[in-house]
Amino acid sequence: GQNIDQPTEMTATEGAIVQINCTYQTSGFNGLFWYQQHAGEAPTFLSYNVLDGLEEKGRFSSFLSRSKGYSYLLLKELQMKDSASYLCAVKDSNYQLIWGAGTKLIIKP
Amino acid sequence: GAVVSQHPSRVICKSGTSVKIECRSLDFQATTMFWYRQFPKKSLMLMATSNEGSKATYEQGVEKDKFLINHASLTLSTLTVTSAHPEDSSFYICSVSGGETEAFFGQGTRLTVV
Repeated sequence: GQNIDQPTEMTATEGAIVQINCTYQTSGFNGLFWYQQHAGEAPTFLSYNVLDGLEEKGRFSSFLSRSKGYSYLLLKELQMKDSASYLCAVKDSNYQLIWGAGTKLIIKP
Repeated sequence: GAVVSQHPSRVICKSGTSVKIECRSLDFQATTMFWYRQFPKKSLMLMATSNEGSKATYEQGVEKDKFLINHASLTLSTLTVTSAHPEDSSFYICSVSGGETEAFFGQGTRLTVV
């Protein structure tokens, strides 16, 4: 079956750096996505990786290793507004998005 | 990116009634839209793929007679929850695929069945 694993919850301090890991086993691979979701709201797009390596976008970076079925989202200079759930999703061979359960990130002052 | 509008954002209904949720793609012609359901602290679960001008494709375990999907135009898909029960209470989200890359989401609808 298809599976995406990410930690359920993480806690970090304002101003610090946090890395959220995601491992996946899917039937085919057509890209990996990271989304941010605040409680009661729809997800918003953060990043897209289809080739191995690091994609940097401001305070957020995303890394992909296709051979390891592994990705991480790196958040720098954490702000209180970064408290949210972060969803990892993979497009499989049918271009269908398979979603992880999300990682709830708690930022403490 | 595409702008997707979903309405209503919140709805409370009585058991046994039906509720219609609309999803509009405001600046993008979407032949395909997706309907998701999300329980608290859980992942997005794909319910069905809505295809313009044809029948929706439902995921395994989703009752097509209970969750009616209509995609009559390139900019509008509707999800009707028929004969709603308290266990249907959930967060429903629609999305439009932006080609090979990102998906664009509506604001979501919080349904509470009392």
